Amino acid sequence: GQQVMQIPQYQHVQEGEDFTTYCNSSTTLSNIQWYKQRPGGHPVFLIQLVKSGEVKKQKRLTFQFGEAKKNSSLHITATQTTDVGTYFCAPRRQAGTALIFGKGTTLSVSS
Amino acid sequence: DTEVTQTPKHLVMGMTNKKSLKCEQHMGHRAMYWYKQKAKKPPELMFVYSYEKLSINESVPSRFSPECPNSSLLNLHLHALQPEDSALYLCASSLGTSGASSGTQYFGPGTRLLVL
Repeated sequence: GQQVMQIPQYQHVQEGEDFTTYCNSSTTLSNIQWYKQRPGGHPVFLIQLVKSGEVKKQKRLTFQFGEAKKNSSLHITATQTTDVGTYFCAPRRQAGTALIFGKGTTLSVSS
Repeated sequence: DTEVTQTPKHLVMGMTNKKSLKCEQHMGHRAMYWYKQKAKKPPELMFVYSYEKLSINESVPSRFSPECPNSSLLNLHLHALQPEDSALYLCASSLGTSGASSGTQYFGPGTRLLVL
């Protein structure tokens, strides 16, 4: 079956520091989505990456899809306390199949 | 309206009770999903409905019974649950289930279920 690893599991940073979470698959992916879940909240869609080597930016967030379409990363520049939450990657191996969520990276930020 | 609503927000039930979780969306989405999420774990897919037909059942025990009365509504009927079924039950919807543009899933706030 599809193996997806997301690292690190937890990350604590000081406000203003950068943060990166990585998602690695053992198989080539059709596309990958990223979601954020605040404590006590529900997952909220952030982005979808489809093309090999794709890079997308949303303000302080940068998302990358690897050239081989097996890995992806989310980088946050100059974290803020509002960035606190769990970030899930959700790869899709083939178009039309269900999303499989990674285990998530929980980010905590101290001011 | 870009919202998925779920009721109730909280539910406590005994192992002999029968209850139902409800989910509603008015975004014209044709795919709807049920997920189960335990604390500090990712959402686990339970069921997928596509055009009101069950398309995916991830080997969920029969004590969970989904129902899709129409394209806007999704129910999850619960009967004879076990304490280990206590979790956050999330509903989601998307335009469809295939194609890059249809895959974005919009999640509802969830129902926090406690089985005693």
